[in-house]
Amino acid sequence: GIQVEQSPPDLILQEGANSTLRCNFSDSVNNLQWFHQNPWGQLINLFYIPSGTKQNGRLSATTVATERYSLLYISSSQTTDSGVYFCAVVEAAGNKLTFGGGTRVLVKP
Amino acid sequence: GAVVSQHPSRVICKSGTSVKIECRSLDFQATTMFWYRQFPKQSLMLMATSNEGSKATYEQGVEKDKFLINHASLTLSTLTVTSAHPEDSSFYICSAYIGVMNTEAFFGQGTRLTVV
Repeated sequence: GIQVEQSPPDLILQEGANSTLRCNFSDSVNNLQWFHQNPWGQLINLFYIPSGTKQNGRLSATTVATERYSLLYISSSQTTDSGVYFCAVVEAAGNKLTFGGGTRVLVKP
Repeated sequence: GAVVSQHPSRVICKSGTSVKIECRSLDFQATTMFWYRQFPKQSLMLMATSNEGSKATYEQGVEKDKFLINHASLTLSTLTVTSAHPEDSSFYICSAYIGVMNTEAFFGQGTRLTVV
Protein backbone atom coordinates (compact mmCIF):
# COMPACT_ATOMS: atom_id res chain seq x y z
CA GLY A 1 0.00 0.00 0.00
CA ILE A 2 0.87 3.65 -0.18
CA GLN A 3 3.40 5.06 2.29
CA VAL A 4 2.92 8.48 3.86
CA GLU A 5 5.76 10.16 5.70
CA GLN A 6 5.54 13.40 7.62
CA SER A 7 8.36 15.59 8.81
CA PRO A 8 9.46 16.75 11.22
CA PRO A 9 7.94 14.39 13.82
CA ASP A 10 8.15 17.07 16.49
CA LEU A 11 8.28 20.84 16.30
CA ILE A 12 8.67 23.41 19.05
CA LEU A 13 7.90 26.99 18.11
CA GLN A 14 7.95 30.32 19.83
CA GLU A 15 4.66 32.15 19.54
CA GLY A 16 4.68 34.31 16.42
CA ALA A 17 7.07 32.09 14.48
CA ASN A 18 6.36 30.59 11.06
CA SER A 19 6.78 26.93 10.19
CA THR A 20 6.46 24.41 7.37
CA LEU A 21 5.27 20.84 7.76
CA ARG A 22 5.92 18.33 5.01
CA CYS A 23 4.06 15.25 3.78
CA ASN A 24 5.64 12.87 1.27
CA PHE A 25 3.72 10.02 -0.31
CA SER A 26 4.94 7.07 -2.32
CA ASP A 27 2.34 6.80 -5.08
CA SER A 28 -0.24 8.73 -7.06
CA VAL A 29 -3.18 10.03 -5.02
CA ASN A 30 -6.63 11.35 -5.76
CA ASN A 31 -7.28 12.80 -2.33
CA LEU A 32 -5.07 14.54 0.20
CA GLN A 33 -6.23 16.14 3.43
CA TRP A 34 -4.57 17.92 6.33
CA PHE A 35 -6.03 17.60 9.82
CA HIS A 36 -5.34 19.08 13.23
CA GLN A 37 -6.03 16.74 16.12
CA ASN A 38 -6.99 18.66 19.23
CA PRO A 39 -6.23 17.54 22.81
CA TRP A 40 -9.59 15.76 23.00
CA GLY A 41 -8.80 13.67 19.94
CA GLN A 42 -11.15 15.39 17.52
CA LEU A 43 -9.79 15.62 13.98
CA ILE A 44 -10.35 19.09 12.60
CA ASN A 45 -10.39 19.39 8.81
CA LEU A 46 -7.84 21.95 7.67
CA PHE A 47 -7.55 21.41 3.94
CA TYR A 48 -8.82 19.11 1.23
CA ILE A 49 -6.03 19.62 -1.29
CA PRO A 50 -5.25 16.86 -3.81
CA SER A 51 -3.40 19.49 -5.86
CA GLY A 52 -2.72 23.20 -5.94
CA THR A 53 -2.59 25.81 -3.20
CA LYS A 54 -5.16 26.93 -0.67
CA GLN A 55 -5.16 29.43 2.15
CA ASN A 56 -7.32 29.77 5.24
CA GLY A 57 -6.31 32.56 7.56
CA ARG A 58 -2.84 31.94 8.95
CA LEU A 59 -2.71 28.48 7.41
CA SER A 60 -1.97 27.59 3.84
CA ALA A 61 -1.18 24.38 2.00
CA THR A 62 0.37 23.37 -1.28
CA THR A 63 0.27 19.96 -2.93
CA VAL A 64 2.54 19.09 -5.86
CA ALA A 65 0.98 15.82 -6.90
CA THR A 66 3.48 15.11 -9.69
CA GLU A 67 6.31 15.26 -7.15
CA ARG A 68 4.33 13.46 -4.45
CA TYR A 69 4.48 15.92 -1.61
CA SER A 70 2.38 18.45 0.21
CA LEU A 71 3.34 21.30 2.53
CA LEU A 72 1.39 22.93 5.33
CA TYR A 73 2.44 26.43 6.32
CA ILE A 74 1.64 27.95 9.68
CA SER A 75 2.30 31.66 9.94
CA SER A 76 2.41 33.80 13.09
CA SER A 77 1.87 30.71 15.23
CA GLN A 78 -0.28 30.89 18.34
CA THR A 79 -0.44 28.64 21.38
CA THR A 80 -3.78 27.33 20.15
CA ASP A 81 -1.98 25.91 17.11
CA SER A 82 -0.42 23.28 19.37
CA GLY A 83 -1.44 19.70 18.71
CA VAL A 84 -0.79 17.01 16.16
CA TYR A 85 -1.05 17.68 12.45
CA PHE A 86 -1.84 14.75 10.19
CA CYS A 87 -1.62 14.38 6.46
CA ALA A 88 -3.80 11.66 4.93
CA VAL A 89 -4.09 10.44 1.35
CA VAL A 90 -6.20 8.15 -0.80
CA GLU A 91 -4.17 6.36 -3.40
CA ALA A 92 -5.39 6.36 -6.98
CA ALA A 93 -8.09 3.72 -7.57
CA GLY A 94 -8.60 3.42 -3.82
CA ASN A 95 -11.09 4.88 -1.37
CA LYS A 96 -9.38 4.58 2.01
CA LEU A 97 -7.53 7.39 3.75
CA THR A 98 -4.02 6.42 4.82
CA PHE A 99 -2.48 8.60 7.50
CA GLY A 100 1.06 9.78 7.95
CA GLY A 101 2.73 9.55 11.33
CA GLY A 102 1.86 13.12 12.23
CA THR A 103 3.82 16.17 13.34
CA ARG A 104 3.47 17.07 17.00
CA VAL A 105 3.59 20.87 17.33
CA LEU A 106 4.09 22.78 20.55
CA VAL A 107 3.83 26.55 20.45
CA LYS A 108 5.31 28.24 23.49
CA PRO A 109 4.12 31.65 24.71
CA GLY B 1 -21.73 21.76 7.38
CA ALA B 2 -21.35 18.03 7.38
CA VAL B 3 -21.31 16.38 10.76
CA VAL B 4 -20.33 12.90 11.74
CA SER B 5 -21.45 12.14 15.27
CA GLN B 6 -19.98 9.38 17.38
CA HIS B 7 -21.30 8.04 20.67
CA PRO B 8 -20.23 7.50 23.38
CA SER B 9 -17.22 9.76 23.61
CA ARG B 10 -15.79 7.83 26.51
CA VAL B 11 -16.55 4.39 27.94
CA ILE B 12 -15.07 2.21 30.64
CA CYS B 13 -15.99 -1.47 30.69
CA LYS B 14 -14.97 -4.62 32.47
CA SER B 15 -12.92 -7.35 30.81
CA GLY B 16 -15.09 -9.86 29.05
CA THR B 17 -17.96 -7.53 28.32
CA SER B 18 -18.95 -6.05 24.95
CA VAL B 19 -19.14 -2.40 23.99
CA LYS B 20 -21.05 -0.82 21.12
CA ILE B 21 -19.94 2.42 19.49
CA GLU B 22 -22.25 4.33 17.14
CA CYS B 23 -21.28 6.50 14.20
CA ARG B 24 -23.95 8.64 12.56
CA SER B 25 -23.93 10.93 9.57
CA LEU B 26 -26.23 13.73 10.66
CA ASP B 27 -27.06 15.66 7.51
CA PHE B 28 -26.07 13.37 4.69
CA GLN B 29 -26.28 9.74 3.70
CA ALA B 30 -23.17 7.60 3.83
CA THR B 31 -23.18 4.24 2.07
CA THR B 32 -19.61 3.73 3.25
CA MET B 33 -18.04 4.57 6.58
CA PHE B 34 -14.59 3.84 7.92
CA TRP B 35 -13.42 2.80 11.38
CA TYR B 36 -9.98 3.73 12.67
CA ARG B 37 -8.04 2.95 15.81
CA GLN B 38 -5.43 5.14 17.45
CA PHE B 39 -3.06 4.16 20.23
CA PRO B 40 -1.50 6.89 22.42
CA LYS B 41 1.01 9.06 20.56
CA GLN B 42 0.51 7.08 17.37
CA SER B 43 -1.22 7.67 14.08
CA LEU B 44 -4.62 6.46 12.96
CA MET B 45 -4.82 2.96 11.54
CA LEU B 46 -7.73 1.84 9.41
CA MET B 47 -9.53 -1.15 10.89
CA ALA B 48 -12.39 -1.73 8.48
CA THR B 49 -14.65 -0.31 5.82
CA SER B 50 -18.33 -0.41 6.70
CA ASN B 51 -20.70 -0.89 3.74
CA GLU B 52 -24.41 -0.21 4.02
CA GLY B 53 -26.40 -3.39 3.50
CA SER B 54 -23.41 -5.68 3.13
CA LYS B 55 -20.53 -7.12 5.06
CA ALA B 56 -17.71 -4.95 6.29
CA THR B 57 -14.26 -5.22 4.76
CA TYR B 58 -11.54 -5.67 7.37
CA GLU B 59 -7.90 -4.69 7.09
CA GLN B 60 -5.26 -7.35 7.44
CA GLY B 61 -4.69 -8.34 11.04
CA VAL B 62 -8.02 -7.05 12.35
CA GLU B 63 -10.16 -9.77 13.93
CA LYS B 64 -13.63 -9.55 12.42
CA ASP B 65 -15.15 -11.70 15.18
CA LYS B 66 -13.83 -9.34 17.83
CA PHE B 67 -14.74 -6.10 16.07
CA LEU B 68 -18.26 -6.55 14.74
CA ILE B 69 -19.42 -3.89 12.31
CA ASN B 70 -23.02 -3.32 11.28
CA HIS B 71 -24.13 -0.70 8.76
CA ALA B 72 -27.88 -1.21 8.74
CA SER B 73 -28.91 2.20 7.41
CA LEU B 74 -27.53 5.00 5.28
CA THR B 75 -26.81 7.12 8.34
CA LEU B 76 -25.62 4.66 11.00
CA SER B 77 -22.69 2.31 11.40
CA THR B 78 -21.90 0.53 14.66
CA LEU B 79 -18.70 -1.05 15.94
CA THR B 80 -19.04 -3.63 18.70
CA VAL B 81 -15.93 -4.67 20.58
CA THR B 82 -16.78 -8.16 21.81
CA SER B 83 -15.29 -9.82 24.88
CA ALA B 84 -13.13 -6.77 25.48
CA HIS B 85 -9.70 -7.10 27.05
CA PRO B 86 -7.34 -4.41 28.38
CA GLU B 87 -5.32 -4.54 25.15
CA ASP B 88 -8.43 -3.35 23.31
CA SER B 89 -8.23 -0.07 25.21
CA SER B 90 -7.74 2.59 22.56
CA PHE B 91 -9.26 5.57 20.77
CA TYR B 92 -11.74 4.53 18.08
CA ILE B 93 -12.87 7.03 15.45
CA CYS B 94 -15.13 6.79 12.42
CA SER B 95 -15.28 8.76 9.20
CA ALA B 96 -17.43 9.22 6.12
CA TYR B 97 -17.34 11.00 2.79
CA ILE B 98 -20.11 13.32 1.77
CA GLY B 99 -21.60 12.08 -1.47
CA VAL B 100 -19.00 10.92 -3.97
CA MET B 101 -16.12 8.81 -2.69
CA ASN B 102 -12.71 10.40 -2.31
CA THR B 103 -13.99 13.89 -1.78
CA GLU B 104 -13.48 15.45 1.64
CA ALA B 105 -13.73 13.01 4.53
CA PHE B 106 -15.16 14.01 7.90
CA PHE B 107 -14.52 12.36 11.24
CA GLY B 108 -16.55 11.72 14.35
CA GLN B 109 -15.44 12.95 17.75
CA GLY B 110 -13.95 9.58 18.61
CA THR B 111 -14.55 7.14 21.45
CA ARG B 112 -11.98 6.52 24.15
CA LEU B 113 -12.39 2.94 25.34
CA THR B 114 -10.83 1.77 28.58
CA VAL B 115 -11.13 -1.90 29.51
CA VAL B 116 -10.43 -2.67 33.17
